[in-house]
Amino acid sequence: KNQVEQSPQSLIILEGKNCTLQCNYTVSPFSNLRWYKQDTGRGPVSLTIMTFSENTKSNGRYTATLDADTKQSSLHITASQLSDSASYICVVSPFNTDKLIFGTGTRLQVFP
Amino acid sequence: SQTIHQWPATLVQPVGSPLSLECTVEGTSNPNLYWYRQAAGRGLQLLFYSVGIGQISSEVPQNLSASRPQDRQFILSSKKLLLSDSGFYLCAWRAGTSVLNEQFFGPGTRLTVL
Repeated sequence: KNQVEQSPQSLIILEGKNCTLQCNYTVSPFSNLRWYKQDTGRGPVSLTIMTFSENTKSNGRYTATLDADTKQSSLHITASQLSDSASYICVVSPFNTDKLIFGTGTRLQVFP
Repeated sequence: SQTIHQWPATLVQPVGSPLSLECTVEGTSNPNLYWYRQAAGRGLQLLFYSVGIGQISSEVPQNLSASRPQDRQFILSSKKLLLSDSGFYLCAWRAGTSVLNEQFFGPGTRLTVL
């Protein structure tokens, strides 16, 4: 069964600190992996998208990595800001389909 | 630019009542449209998707239905709501046929069934 699991479920950090969120997936073969940011009560917004052949992708202070051999991805947030408080969702797209498989997300809280 | 709208933003309905949630997309034509449900502590679950007017594919058997009466309008309905229908409903659209094209999500509708 295609699954996407994320850890930790929740994370609290202080403003200015870095953090790394993890995503493990069993989807195979897959076309691409995305990270979304979802503010409370809002729709998800895409941060990065990587194909199976890419290892890393950056978007400002967000850097995603992908290891297709171990089926793991991470999202690293540098110099966190209060506005980074949100849920971060890892999403994998199986090969040859536009159906997305969503992880349950990591809830990040950044405190001053 | 493209925008996606959903309404209502919040809805509280009694068990057994009907439901109609609407989603419209502006600034694009012939988009793929999707309805998702996000239950508390769960990942987004695809309910329906549509590649064109009148074309609906259901992913999960349930008491919900979807319709696409116009190119950029997607409606989620139910004749009789269940308690388990409570959740956050998201509409999304995607342009083109490439699987790399991003899905853009609407602001969502918070449905509480009492």
